[in-house]
Amino acid sequence: GENVEQHPSTLSVQEGDSAVIKCTYSDSASNYFPWYKQELGKRPQLIIDIRSNVGEKKDQRIAVTLNKTAKHFSLHITETQPEDSAVYFCAASPGNTPLVFGKGTRLSVIA
Amino acid sequence: GAGVSQSPSNKVTEKGKDVELRCDPISGHTALYWYRQSLGQGLEFLIYFQGNSAPDKSGLPSDRFSAERTGGSVSTLTIQRTQQEDSAVYLCASSLVYYGYTFGSGTRLTVV
Repeated sequence: GENVEQHPSTLSVQEGDSAVIKCTYSDSASNYFPWYKQELGKRPQLIIDIRSNVGEKKDQRIAVTLNKTAKHFSLHITETQPEDSAVYFCAASPGNTPLVFGKGTRLSVIA
Repeated sequence: GAGVSQSPSNKVTEKGKDVELRCDPISGHTALYWYRQSLGQGLEFLIYFQGNSAPDKSGLPSDRFSAERTGGSVSTLTIQRTQQEDSAVYLCASSLVYYGYTFGSGTRLTVV
């Protein structure tokens, strides 16, 4: 089955700097790659996703890139703000099975 | 409803007791998922319901865990003879298709 590795486990950045979180997956059949943000004590919320027919997707300050050959995808957050502080999870699925999640990255944005 | 509802939000139980956790998905969502989140850990898949198909139980950690979904809507996750290692946040999610999961707020289970 699918296996998703996520790095780093913790990340601290200065406000205004960029943050990058990387994930690798094992199942070449996976074609859907969402990212979830979980604030302390809250539910995970979808922030952006990408499908395997595109290589990059942007939504304001966040972007996701996908390299199917290397089986990795990344989340990029630019101009970080204190409210970006949260745990971020990547996930992957071939579409006919439940999402497999990475172990999460705790992002701290220091004002 | 407007979102995925889970109850109770918190549950403290004694070791060896049975517990039931409830999930009410978004109306019309055919897929329903249960995940477990232990402290500081990722989301561990437990079980998946899709329409009238047989559930995918491949993630259930032991036969003490079971789940059902009645009428294609509300789901109940049951843990029998709870153990301390069962302490975690149990998250339910629903979706219309295979993408776009919406999570509930979870049930925090503490086994003492």
